[in-house]
Amino acid sequence: EPEVTQTPSHQVTQMGQEVILRCVPISNHLYFYWYRQILGQKVEFLVSFYNNEISEKSEIFDDQFSVERPDGSNFTLKIRSTKLEDSAMYFCASTPDKAYQPQHFGDGTRLSIL
Amino acid sequence: QKEVEQNSGPLSVPEGAIASLNCTYSDRGSQSFFWYRQYSGKSPELIMSIYSNGDKEDGRFTAQLNKASQYVSLLIRDSQPSDSATYLCAVNTLANTGNQFYFGTGTSLTVIP
Repeated sequence: EPEVTQTPSHQVTQMGQEVILRCVPISNHLYFYWYRQILGQKVEFLVSFYNNEISEKSEIFDDQFSVERPDGSNFTLKIRSTKLEDSAMYFCASTPDKAYQPQHFGDGTRLSIL
Repeated sequence: QKEVEQNSGPLSVPEGAIASLNCTYSDRGSQSFFWYRQYSGKSPELIMSIYSNGDKEDGRFTAQLNKASQYVSLLIRDSQPSDSATYLCAVNTLANTGNQFYFGTGTSLTVIP
């Protein structure tokens, strides 16, 4: 069964550094998403992406964050000038279409900011 | 602010019993509803989706939706120790050109052998 893949599985970064999290969505899916889950807390929506542009973004997704689809398969989340509070699991998800579709999640990247 | 509320638990049931998980949501414009299972340190895994009022059954799982009451539930029959996990309620609201999922905080379920 096709799946969303994320790399790396664990990223350790010094505070203030930039980090790029990578995702390969399911190949025929059109909508892509990033979520964040701080340890012990709920899954929080960051951003949705369609047709090479951001569709929706939450209040969390400020100027520190950016997303890109640099080629036909990868979908990346860049976090600039990382802060301690950016430590979390970051999940990528995708759907075939926007309406009513359940989202398929990758295994996540655990980001640890030191 | 769109909210999805769940009882955080923990909920403990003996093996073979029925586990009942509940969720309420605040946005009347919500159109699709999902239950995900999340094991510790893992990603959410889709269990059930439901879009219209009533019950939907899939194996040991039954999802129930009542849009008038803004309430969705998940019943797990013949609970197994492997069902022990956190269950996340997710609600989808069409917004502008995309869609957003709002997750509840999850209910921790423990099935006691």
